[in-house]
Amino acid sequence: TQLLEQSPQFLSIQEGENLTVYCNSSSVFSSLQWYRQEPGEGPVLLVTVVTGGEVKKLKRLTFQFGDARKDSSLHITAAQPGDTGLYLCAGANQAGTALIFGKGTTLSVSS
Amino acid sequence: GAGVSQSPSNKVTEKGKDVELRCDPISGHTALYWYRQSLGQGLEFLIYFQGNSAPDKSGLPSDRFSAERTGGSVSTLTIQRTQQEDSAVYLCASSLKASTAYTEAFFGQGTRLTVV
Repeated sequence: TQLLEQSPQFLSIQEGENLTVYCNSSSVFSSLQWYRQEPGEGPVLLVTVVTGGEVKKLKRLTFQFGDARKDSSLHITAAQPGDTGLYLCAGANQAGTALIFGKGTTLSVSS
Repeated sequence: GAGVSQSPSNKVTEKGKDVELRCDPISGHTALYWYRQSLGQGLEFLIYFQGNSAPDKSGLPSDRFSAERTGGSVSTLTIQRTQQEDSAVYLCASSLKASTAYTEAFFGQGTRLTVV
């Protein structure tokens, strides 16, 4: 069974701090995606990482895909209140018919 | 429409009643997915449609749950004889292609179902 474990589950920080959230699995994924979900909304794709060791940057967000393609991390530099939300990692199941999601990291950034 | 549309946005129903949840995907998207999101449980896959057929129904939790898609567009998720444990947010997503590994899934805002 393919599972994605995310940590930490909750993170509460002050504006300007840096943070990293993790997504780990014992299974190899062809790619991993990161989504962000705000209350009352559906998840929105932030990035897809495809190649082992790949690093992608999206403004203050840096995403890394592990060399073995079993894990990924999201690093946020100088967090802002607008970064508040639920961060979800997801990978395609072996059949390629659905995305498997981790349980997410709830991030709260206060000013 | 511009995005995935789900209706109703909120539904309160009595235990034992049947409910229907509707999803209008983005025009031209052949792949459609239903997920369930419970507090602290993340997104749980329910069913995948490619066109009007459902090659993967493995996530449907019981035979009380069914879904159909007509005209390669609108999909309806039906829950019969609802139980309190069915309370959750039901999310629909669509994507242009079937390959979820590299394809962006676009989500609707969800239907919050409360069974009392």
